[in-house]
Amino acid sequence: NAGVMQNPRHLVRRRGQEARLRCSPMKGHSHVYWYRQLPEEGLKFMVYLQKENIIDESGMPKERFSAEFPKEGPSILRIQQVVRGDSAAYFCASSPRQSNQPQHFGDGTRLSIL
Amino acid sequence: DQQVKQNSPSLSVQEGRISILNCDYTNSMFDYFLWYKKYPAEGPTFLISISSIKDKNEDGRFTVFLNKSAKHLSLHIVPSQPGDSAVYFCAATYGNNRLAFGKGNQVVVIP
Repeated sequence: NAGVMQNPRHLVRRRGQEARLRCSPMKGHSHVYWYRQLPEEGLKFMVYLQKENIIDESGMPKERFSAEFPKEGPSILRIQQVVRGDSAAYFCASSPRQSNQPQHFGDGTRLSIL
Repeated sequence: DQQVKQNSPSLSVQEGRISILNCDYTNSMFDYFLWYKKYPAEGPTFLISISSIKDKNEDGRFTVFLNKSAKHLSLHIVPSQPGDSAVYFCAATYGNNRLAFGKGNQVVVIP
């Protein structure tokens, strides 16, 4: 399956712990996007990255959240000192280039905070 | 700030009939519009898109119509099939490919 791969599919953390979510884009795609979906809501943009560069992080909370897309390996969304409100589905998408090309999504990571 | 709005959260339609989903947007800068379908516990799947320079795009059973002056687009599915039962999201973007999503419409196709 050459689609967008996210892991883990489910992640449970206690308040104050760290959560790391991973995303491998589709083969040939160099642009990665992270979105968050709260219950009964649409997806909300968080961050847009290319290899080794953050292009747009205007949707990221100012504190505790960070993202990277290193030269080698998957993109990582990191949430430090998680709180109950971080419980959500986090989706990663990728596209081949910046111009109008549809983004293709992974199946998401469901993060639950105890 | 909800830039993309989908009203009528749910829709039930008989198998074989037409499903029509509507979407309104407020940002006149949007130049590319997409529809995604989502099953529970899965990611959104791309269905069809349309550029702002067109008013219609068709792909098999799916047709998207864009009315720029009204800032409105719609998705037509005909004929509807039971496998079409899912949540449908309208999305829009400009420039940097950052997508703005609506809240989604639940479609139930009754066999």
